[in-house]
Amino acid sequence: DIQMTQSPSSLPASVGDRVTITCRASQSISSWLAWYQQKPGRAPKLLIYKASSLESGVPSRFSGRGSGTEFTLTISSLQPDDFATYYCQQYSSYSRTFGQGTKVEFK
Amino acid sequence: QVHLQESGPGLVKPSETLSLTCTVSGGSIRDHYWSWIRQSPGKGLEWIGYIYYSGSTNSNPALKSRVTISVDTSKNQFSLRLSSVTAADTAVYYCARDHGDGGNVEYFDLWGQGTLVTVSS
Repeated sequence: DIQMTQSPSSLPASVGDRVTITCRASQSISSWLAWYQQKPGRAPKLLIYKASSLESGVPSRFSGRGSGTEFTLTISSLQPDDFATYYCQQYSSYSRTFGQGTKVEFK
Repeated sequence: QVHLQESGPGLVKPSETLSLTCTVSGGSIRDHYWSWIRQSPGKGLEWIGYIYYSGSTNSNPALKSRVTISVDTSKNQFSLRLSSVTAADTAVYYCARDHGDGGNVEYFDLWGQGTLVTVSS
């Protein structure tokens, strides 16, 4: 399986901050990467696919970059609704794998 | 608007078989691939397997020997059976719509609310 590693695991932040989360793959996955947001007690919600394509309805303050083995998710100006856990997921292989998550929490 | 809903027992005994069903409403099960995903504190999010309406299926190599996924197009449902469960299989189980392109399975663009399954005697 392709291993996905996110950093940091926890990210203290304030409203208005620019926040960046990193995801690294154990081998090249081209641009076959998605990002999800999950709030407590809820299912994950798709934010970004193909590394940088914004899912319909997702605010433009979310953006994704990267290819190969290194990827980032950036929130340009953190809003109160954005405090959540974020996961990356590769789909280079049919056996999809997720990162362990990054919790964006109040500083 | 398509909606997914998981159903099944919330408690399963060790060594028995976990059985869950996902009902797809607001759309046809024939239009997409469908997956099962689980989430536990110890292992995070883990893809279990997918199925197409034709019955074509594949599963996570780590779970393959214990996983059976089936589809009932007449009921717009697909199901998961996980055999020989242990406490390590305790998790929230989600069904999800697989966004695919040309037969390639990709990311999950719609999820059910999830159902907690606890393995305990």
